[in-house]
Amino acid sequence: DAGVIQSPRHEVTEMGQEVTLRCKPISGHNSLFWYRQTMMRGLELLIYFNNNVPIDDSGMPEDRFSAKMPNASFSTLKIQPSEPRDSAVYFCASSLSSLGNTEAFFGQGTRLTVV
Amino acid sequence: ELKVEQNPLFLSMQEGKNYTIYCNYSTTSDRLYWYRQDPGKSLESLFVLLSNGAVKQEGRLMASLDTKARLSTLHITAAVHDLSATYFCAVDPNTDKLIFGTGTRLQVFP
Repeated sequence: DAGVIQSPRHEVTEMGQEVTLRCKPISGHNSLFWYRQTMMRGLELLIYFNNNVPIDDSGMPEDRFSAKMPNASFSTLKIQPSEPRDSAVYFCASSLSSLGNTEAFFGQGTRLTVV
Repeated sequence: ELKVEQNPLFLSMQEGKNYTIYCNYSTTSDRLYWYRQDPGKSLESLFVLLSNGAVKQEGRLMASLDTKARLSTLHITAAVHDLSATYFCAVDPNTDKLIFGTGTRLQVFP
């Protein structure tokens, strides 16, 4: 398996523009997570899906952020409009919840810079 | 709200020395994970601890879990430069989602 695949790897955009980050989880995994990593706030869980359904989006910072999972093999995280404080590395991770083991496997991340 | 705290935040240690990183968490859980992150890279899973008293070892690293004390430790034996990285613990408060600690940045010098 190729692991969790994220695209793009790097994104530079101007303030006010829409940004869409994409994620393909590991085949067969039933949970998908979006995390944001910054120096100041560390790793924050933004939202997670189970069987394509959003279970907990309490970490989504504002209405400017939205996430979808239309099927088991694809998810998007959208920021509209983007702001400089959204600059961070965004990670997608997936897991197969089995016998209490929820070990998550991470993609390579998308480094977002909003100027 | 679950809080996961690690200490120390920064650790500079000499090659060949031993040290322990601590991970405390604030709510009941028997699912704890350790990850490693190299600069500019993703997170790599190191250990999965799923019961009280669980102990896992890989090379110079050993992780343990005490669910009653809500504490996990990552022990480093005879450190080598290749172990330099940031180490995170993550706790699943039985909700199938992982909450990460602050991370411990480890630097091993000759």
